[in-house]
Amino acid sequence: NAGVMQNPRHLVRRRGQEARLRCSPMKGHSHVYWYRQLPEEGLKFMVYLQKENIIDESGMPKERFSAEFPKEGPSILRIQQVVRGDSAAYFCASSRGTGANHEQFFGPGTRLTVL
Amino acid sequence: DAKTTQPPSMDCAEGRAANLPCNHSTISGNEYVYWYRQIHSQGPQYIIHGLKNNETNEMASLIITEDRKSSTLILPHATLRDTAVYYCIVIDKYIFGTGTRLKVLA
Repeated sequence: NAGVMQNPRHLVRRRGQEARLRCSPMKGHSHVYWYRQLPEEGLKFMVYLQKENIIDESGMPKERFSAEFPKEGPSILRIQQVVRGDSAAYFCASSRGTGANHEQFFGPGTRLTVL
Repeated sequence: DAKTTQPPSMDCAEGRAANLPCNHSTISGNEYVYWYRQIHSQGPQYIIHGLKNNETNEMASLIITEDRKSSTLILPHATLRDTAVYYCIVIDKYIFGTGTRLKVLA
């Protein structure tokens, strides 16, 4: 039973390019969450999605960032026109259900470096 | 803002119990307490969660005070591989603070 998968594990982009980060949830999980972790800091919630719906995007920057979780395929976190401050580890998590009694399982993360 | 308060760091001797405290004085009645850990720069790993009763699994025990304003995660026999940052989270939304950096010493 494969865990949460993220790719790529490492991504290098130049300023102004686009970054696309992919997350495949665990089998049977229809809830996906994205987090960002800056060096030496805790994780910061970005967005929560169910299939084809964004449920909570309160942690997403208002510009350049978007997320989707289509009916088929992985969830995608897209960062347009990246800047150096976007350099961070981006973690995806999935859960079977919503609410307080469903633990989240995290992927290994994508480390984005913006040159 | 995180709804929990944890000490920034702790040391524990290998083989001894590690007791990691967490204050969550504003917790509401239906909010669970979750514990995760992050080893080096890997993805966070789920440890345990509870609502009001004490819980135990193969990794750890969770002791929640009767008023639910604080809890303690217990690793009964800490090993070097338990060195990690431990996060205590109160759900309704996953808000990670900076956690407790536990160092297990040989």
